Amino acid sequence: EDQVTQSPEALRLQEGESSSLNCSYTVSGLRGLFWYRQDPGKGPEFLFTLYSAGEEKEKERLKATLTKKESFLHITAPKPEDSATYLCAGLFPNSGYSTLTFGKGTMLLVSP
Amino acid sequence: DAGVIQSPRHEVTEMGQEVTLRCKPISGHDYLFWYRQTMMRGLELLIYFNNNVPIDDSGMPEDRFSAKMPNASFSTLKIQPSEPRDSAVYFCASSLQGSWEYSPLHFGNGTRLTVT
Repeated sequence: EDQVTQSPEALRLQEGESSSLNCSYTVSGLRGLFWYRQDPGKGPEFLFTLYSAGEEKEKERLKATLTKKESFLHITAPKPEDSATYLCAGLFPNSGYSTLTFGKGTMLLVSP
Repeated sequence: DAGVIQSPRHEVTEMGQEVTLRCKPISGHDYLFWYRQTMMRGLELLIYFNNNVPIDDSGMPEDRFSAKMPNASFSTLKIQPSEPRDSAVYFCASSLQGSWEYSPLHFGNGTRLTVT
């Protein structure tokens, strides 16, 4: 069973059409929740870290939020350049740095 | 800042051949990670080093895989012999230990390995 699950697997939006991506996790006691963006042919690029339920972080059109069981990446009025795969990763207790567990990602396509 | 540098970008080899992937981490980073990415399994941690010492290699699939970090600026991941199921994109990442807020993973652009 996956510890970190992302949905949807793929999302197609029109430019300006706001939406949210979901990242849920099954292990309790999360130590940190990370969001990364990955462009085709590139490595993941760090976006945000969230540490506790209720925390929010923003960067341009992106806002990440965290609850006790899931995180959302809200995309407001997206542009075509926001098209990418968005990955979330959870750092779980008693696991050390090594088990930063990634979800399989949501592939976002924003059409002009 | 040149970022994490990986080579080669693409590698095509025949089953049974030895493959060596290379990584230069960001200067000053003391953690180095090797990940493998496939459509089916996503990003999986293979091994990580701290100050050039392997800390956790529990993600290495089998004895055909080995990794070394002879110094702070260079690491290799070797597959011998290679098999078609090893085909994937292999990423190297580095990080500066400290507050999580300021030490996210910095990934290279990966090596796409195809084993025929």
